[in-house]
Amino acid sequence: NAGVTQTPKFQVLKTGQSMTLQCAQDMNHNSMYWYRQDPGMGLRLIYYSASEGTTDKGEVPNGYNVSRLNKREFSLRLESAAPSQTSVYFCASSKGLQGARADTQYFGPGTRLTVL
Amino acid sequence: QQPVQSPQAVILREGEDAVINCSSSKALYSVHWYRQKHGEAPVFLMILLKGGEQKGHEKISASFNEKKQQSSLYLTASQLSYSGTYFCGTERGAAGNKLTFGGGTRVLVKP
Repeated sequence: NAGVTQTPKFQVLKTGQSMTLQCAQDMNHNSMYWYRQDPGMGLRLIYYSASEGTTDKGEVPNGYNVSRLNKREFSLRLESAAPSQTSVYFCASSKGLQGARADTQYFGPGTRLTVL
Repeated sequence: QQPVQSPQAVILREGEDAVINCSSSKALYSVHWYRQKHGEAPVFLMILLKGGEQKGHEKISASFNEKKQQSSLYLTASQLSYSGTYFCGTERGAAGNKLTFGGGTRVLVKP
């Protein structure tokens, strides 16, 4: 099992450009998450998907959109990148059985994004 | 609201002990602990639930004080591999596994 994979690993954008970060998991998990981590700081939840076909906002959703393409894949889109979106982006997944709480989250390796 | 972790950083010699604390002003359902090494993804260590249940790493010790809404992670007889940044993530009752992470505690274990 590869676990949670993310592409690309690194990306440099100019202000105003758009891009999509891809995330896939092969653990048959129901729930998936997108976080950002700024230098020296903790993780902040951008969006999450409790199950296929559902998405919901986290702490810092402004400037982002998501798509839960199927059970395996959850993408994050920046429509018009800004320097404030320079960060490391982590995708995570959990089993997410219906009503699940206290569920272990498994993280991907991250995408390091710089917006100039 | 973000949980508060203390200390922000700690330096240990191999074999020494340390305690990392995570405090919340809100009632919690569970506290999750992760360790992140530089340039890598966070790795799951442990979950503590209200009511006393724990899930996770057999070699890691932690506690959850429901009255104080505080969790503590105990690094006992530290090893070099314990170095990294430790994050707590808190889950509130109706959150559905949505975690709010603290700012992290940097741990450096020296030989």
